[in-house]
Amino acid sequence: AQKVTQAQTEISVVEKEDVTLDCVYETRDTTYYLFWYKQPPSGELVFLIRRNSFDEQNEISGRYSWNFQKSTSSFNFTITASQVVDSAVYFCALSDARGGANSKLTFGKGITLSVRP
Amino acid sequence: GAVVSQHPSWVICKSGTSVKIECRSLDFQATTMFWYRQFPKQSLMLMATSNEGSKATYEQGVEKDKFLINHASLTLSTLTVTSAHPEDSSFYICSARRTGSTVGYTFGSGTRLTVV
Repeated sequence: AQKVTQAQTEISVVEKEDVTLDCVYETRDTTYYLFWYKQPPSGELVFLIRRNSFDEQNEISGRYSWNFQKSTSSFNFTITASQVVDSAVYFCALSDARGGANSKLTFGKGITLSVRP
Repeated sequence: GAVVSQHPSWVICKSGTSVKIECRSLDFQATTMFWYRQFPKQSLMLMATSNEGSKATYEQGVEKDKFLINHASLTLSTLTVTSAHPEDSSFYICSARRTGSTVGYTFGSGTRLTVV
């Protein structure tokens, strides 16, 4: 069975601080995808990144960066120079790559990030 | 990019009535739609997977007679909450998997259901 653990439940930082959101996953699949989503108070899920299990390169997109460590089954997300608009719930998720259209997403419990001005 | 339109965005209904939530894929064919429920301050829990033209597959613990899912076309899936009760009040989100896309899954904007 697949499992995603986001041990941090709530994080509060002051604007311009860097913050790292942790994600640890469990899967028996050799091929899988990892995701991060942002859920602002309005509720919609905003896609941030999808990473294939064979691609261990770290990725940077503006103030966002992701560190994929297959050896420790972790896919951590760092926001540099945080802003108030970054305040949201962040979900890490995992899907298998075997089942095609029926591949399900397993979500972590989410991390509530509050960025104070 | 791929868009899934979900309606209504919020609904208030009386206990005992039924509510229908629609999800439409606007610019692609969604052969598979996933329905999630999210209680306040909790994660998204998969309720069921629906495939166009066939019966939905429900996750363990989800009452299929209470949460009716219809996926009659490649662009429309509906979730009907029958005989709603206050404990059904939740945020419901649909998602379509689009093979070949870089994002993998496209989510609707969600429906906040309040049963009074």
